[in-house]
Amino acid sequence: KNQVEQSPQSLIILEGKNCTLQCNYTVSPFSNLRWYKQDTGRGPVSLTIMTFSENTKSNGRYTATLDADTKQSSLHITASQLSDSASYICVVSDSKGGSEKLVFGKGTKLTVNP
Amino acid sequence: GAGVSQTPSNKVTEKGKYVELRCDPISGHTALYWYRQSLGQGPEFLIYFQGTGAADDSGLPNDRFFAVRPEGSVSTLKIQRTERGDSAVYLCASSLVGGAGNTIYFGEGSWLTVV
Repeated sequence: KNQVEQSPQSLIILEGKNCTLQCNYTVSPFSNLRWYKQDTGRGPVSLTIMTFSENTKSNGRYTATLDADTKQSSLHITASQLSDSASYICVVSDSKGGSEKLVFGKGTKLTVNP
Repeated sequence: GAGVSQTPSNKVTEKGKYVELRCDPISGHTALYWYRQSLGQGPEFLIYFQGTGAADDSGLPNDRFFAVRPEGSVSTLKIQRTERGDSAVYLCASSLVGGAGNTIYFGEGSWLTVV
């Protein structure tokens, strides 16, 4: 079964600090990997999309990495802000059959404290 | 509209009732997706439309769930004989075209509670 596992489940950091969130997946065939930010009670918002050939992609203070050989990805957040408090969801696309189906992890709940 | 719009934002219904959830995708987006998210879980795929047709409905949990997109724009997710286990956030998303690598934009969700 295609799976996406994220760690840690939750994380608390102080404002201004950096953090790294991890994602391991078994989805096959792999099409692309996305990181989404989901505020409580809101829909997910796309942060990055990486295809097989991309190792890293940045979006402001967010930097995602991808190792397609080990099927691992990370999301690094630098100089955290209070507004970064949210769930960060790793999403891997399974493109089997021609339609893109997203397989979501359960997310890492990040809390940034002042 | 500027984003994916979902209505109602909240719906409380009694067990056994029929429910319709509506999704207005971003104008011009041909691909539309429905996902279901339970508390503490990531969204789970339900159905994907390319234009008017359901290209992949393999995520619909049973025959009580049905979705339509008759004109290739607005979509309605229909749930018959609702059960308490149907309580979840139903997320709609759209992308310009289907296929790999396109940015998928999500709505804010319809929160369904079955009592």
